[in-house]
Formats: sequence, structure tokens, C-alpha cells
Amino acid sequence: GQNIDQPTEMTATEGAIVQINCTYQTSGFNGLFWYQQHAGEAPTFLSYNVLDGLEEKGRFSSFLSRSKGYSYLLLKELQMKDSASYLCAVKDSNYQLIWGAGTKLIIKP
Amino acid sequence: IAGITQAPTSQILAAGRRMTLRCTQDMRHNAMYWYRQDLGLGLRLIHYSNTAGTTGKGEVPDGYSVSRANTDDFPLTLASAVPSQTSVYFCASSDSPDSYGYTFGSGTRLTVV
Repeated sequence: GQNIDQPTEMTATEGAIVQINCTYQTSGFNGLFWYQQHAGEAPTFLSYNVLDGLEEKGRFSSFLSRSKGYSYLLLKELQMKDSASYLCAVKDSNYQLIWGAGTKLIIKP
Repeated sequence: IAGITQAPTSQILAAGRRMTLRCTQDMRHNAMYWYRQDLGLGLRLIHYSNTAGTTGKGEVPDGYSVSRANTDDFPLTLASAVPSQTSVYFCASSDSPDSYGYTFGSGTRLTVV
């Protein structure tokens, strides 16, 4: 079967750095996505990786290792507004997105 | 403002009733999707449409039907609602199935009692 694993919840301090991991087992691979979802709101696109390596976008970076079936999202200089759920998703061989359950990130002052 | 509009925002529905969730996009995206999101589970695909006039079944299609008569609209119908269909429903769209960056609607919170 297809599976996306990520931690259920993480806590970090304002101004710090946090890394959210995601491992996946899917039938085929056509890219990995990270989305941010604030409570009661729709998911919004953060990043996309299709080749191995690090993609940096401001305070957020995303890393992919296809051979290990592994990705992480790195958030730097954490702000209170970063408190949200972070969803990892993989596009499979049929170009359908398979979603993880999300990681709830709690930022403390 | 370009995007996806979902209606209603929330609904309480008696079991056995029929209900249609509406989804309209103005971005001329070809592909559209319906997901449900339940606590502790990832978004699960109900039905999708790669282009107007075609639809396909996702991971959890039972009890739901869709139509895609034109590019903009993709309604989701529950023929006879059951309590297990209590969920938050998101409609999404993308330019094509192999493009990245889905755009999501704001969701419909449905409670079946």
C-alpha cells in the first residue's frame, strides 16, 4: 500500500529552527509537496521537490532524498504565525496526491 | 478575486437526506478534486476530474457522486447521507493533473446526525 508518515505534533520556541520529517512509500514518484494549513482553513502550497536536494524559499526550506523515501521541511526564525499543521504529500505514478496526516506545529513564546 | 468558491460553509444534515456541495473555480483550471479531511487522517481523495466531461473515482468514492458539465463547476452529491460522512470537505483544482500547486477552496464542514 501507499503510506506517508510524519510526526503528529511538534513544539518549538519562537525564533528557533524546527525540522519536520516525512517518509513515504508510494507506487511511483512524481514530486513531493509541503502545504501549510492553519486551523479551520484550507491548505496552502509551500514547496515542491522533484529532484534530490534542498529547495530554499525565504525562511522555509525543503529537502528530498528519493533513494531514502525521505523529505524534511525546515522552518527558520520561527514566528507565532507559523503555528499550523504542515502536510506532506507525494504525487504517485497516476499523478494523484497521497497525503500524510499532517504535523501540528505549536510555537511557544 | 481568482480562486475556488465552496458552498455552503457548514451544514448539519439529517441522515438519509440528499445533499450537494458546490464548488466553482474561475481560474480555468482543467483538473478538479474533492477531498475529505478527518482528524488524524490525511486528506483522502473522493472523486476527481482531469477535464470537463470526465470524472474518476478516488480512494473513498462510495456514497458520493460528481459531475463535470463545464470547466468551472464540480459539484459533489451525497445521495443518502450517513453519520460516517461527517467531515470537512475540500474542493481543489490544478491547471493539469501533472502540474504542481493545487489551489484549495475554503472547505465545507458537514455534520450528519
